[in-house]
Amino acid sequence: DTEVTQTPKHLVMGMTNKKSLKCEQHMGHRAMYWYKQKAKKPPELMFVYSYEKLSINESVPSRFSPECPNSSLLNLHLHALQPEDSALYLCASSQVHGGGLGNEQFFGPGTRLTVL
Amino acid sequence: AQSVTQPDIHITVSEGASLELRCNYSYGATPYLFWYVQSPGQGLQLLLKYFSGDTLVQGIKGFEAEFKRSQSSFNLRKPSVHWSDAAEYFCAVGAHNDYKLSFGAGTTVTVRA
Repeated sequence: DTEVTQTPKHLVMGMTNKKSLKCEQHMGHRAMYWYKQKAKKPPELMFVYSYEKLSINESVPSRFSPECPNSSLLNLHLHALQPEDSALYLCASSQVHGGGLGNEQFFGPGTRLTVL
Repeated sequence: AQSVTQPDIHITVSEGASLELRCNYSYGATPYLFWYVQSPGQGLQLLLKYFSGDTLVQGIKGFEAEFKRSQSSFNLRKPSVHWSDAAEYFCAVGAHNDYKLSFGAGTTVTVRA
């Protein structure tokens, strides 16, 4: 199985809502990533988990809260978002962290988030 | 830190014609290089990668890329494009001991009939 799955595909939420994005992979990868992508732009790294521990937070606002319950699952909890947070949120995983194979990231299809 | 430049924002090509997308990188050592494709509303799919060895790399969907150290380039080519190749293409570079990928700004490919 070389697939990264993400749910939901689409999410519309108000600024006072709390919602969660989910990501799952069964490739045995021990590094998992959250990216934010605006239209016609490259993905921007938000968080990196390595061996279920948060290893990189790219100065992301606290209204985004990541969680890695186990080596196959990655969640992104959303609360009090702003309209400018509307974007495609991509999850990715890689075999190990570090150069080479660790850079080869497998991406999910993304969750299209709209904040009203 | 590593960086990537994709000089072409948008390329239009006729179906059946050849395609070449440019990618220039900046990194002090041998880089790890990737080309990803993204169809509208979809995630990124890896087309091919270069880690070491043969500088001409074959990928999926009939794409190939050539690593040229002297030019710090990793250009993507396809001999004959299909309408389904219309998409956004991202070149990315990774570094040793670092799992961050640096992406280029992307090139939008439009295929006309």
